[in-house]
Amino acid sequence: QSALTQSRSVSGSPGQSVTISCTGTSSDVGGYNYVSWYQQHPGKAPKLMIYEVSKRPSGVPDRFSGSKSGNMASLTISGLQAEDEADYYCCSYAGYYTFEVFGGGTKLTVL
Amino acid sequence: QVQLQESGPGLVKPSETLSLTCGVSGFSISSGFYWGWIRQPPGKGLEWIGSMYHGGTTYYNPSLKSRVTISIDTSKNQFSLKLSSVTAADTAVYYCARHWGASHAFEYWGQGTLVTVSS
Repeated sequence: QSALTQSRSVSGSPGQSVTISCTGTSSDVGGYNYVSWYQQHPGKAPKLMIYEVSKRPSGVPDRFSGSKSGNMASLTISGLQAEDEADYYCCSYAGYYTFEVFGGGTKLTVL
Repeated sequence: QVQLQESGPGLVKPSETLSLTCGVSGFSISSGFYWGWIRQPPGKGLEWIGSMYHGGTTYYNPSLKSRVTISIDTSKNQFSLKLSSVTAADTAVYYCARHWGASHAFEYWGQGTLVTVSS
């Protein structure tokens, strides 16, 4: 069982917006502004999409945005495109002893 | 451009030690950052295994801590993972990554290598 809870799947049509949630506790998501999001296409390595809750690395489209409220973090993808279909994982810093914890992943389907 | 590449046996026998190496190019490990390992069992999610700072500080997943050792060889610009007493549950794709400690994010990833635990 993953430390962070994500919905198993989400779907949307091209051009629409979808939001993927990531629920933790006050010991991880709620306690620190160190939530990151990763996109993983089948057979490929994960790719960093968002770090520190809402910052985008260079090269990541601004269609991807992140936010956090309490113990829940969210990744929103606007203007959905076919190539956005992938698995998405959240990750949070969880303090000195646990360090980093991942969510179970959400499969995004573009209809 | 920072690139990472995992290498090591693809098959390990139960109870033995899994050993992988991650070669880094485009960046000197001794210049900073953490260097970490993440794994993904077939069809399942990601699990952080542990990370090591170039200066020697290590952090391990508490659930694996008793079996994991991460080390860095700055002369070869590579870092390694050892996981002892493996079982079938340790079968996974193992990724190495540059771990940006200041932001707690995994910036650059290797392509991953599948390690199967079987007799």
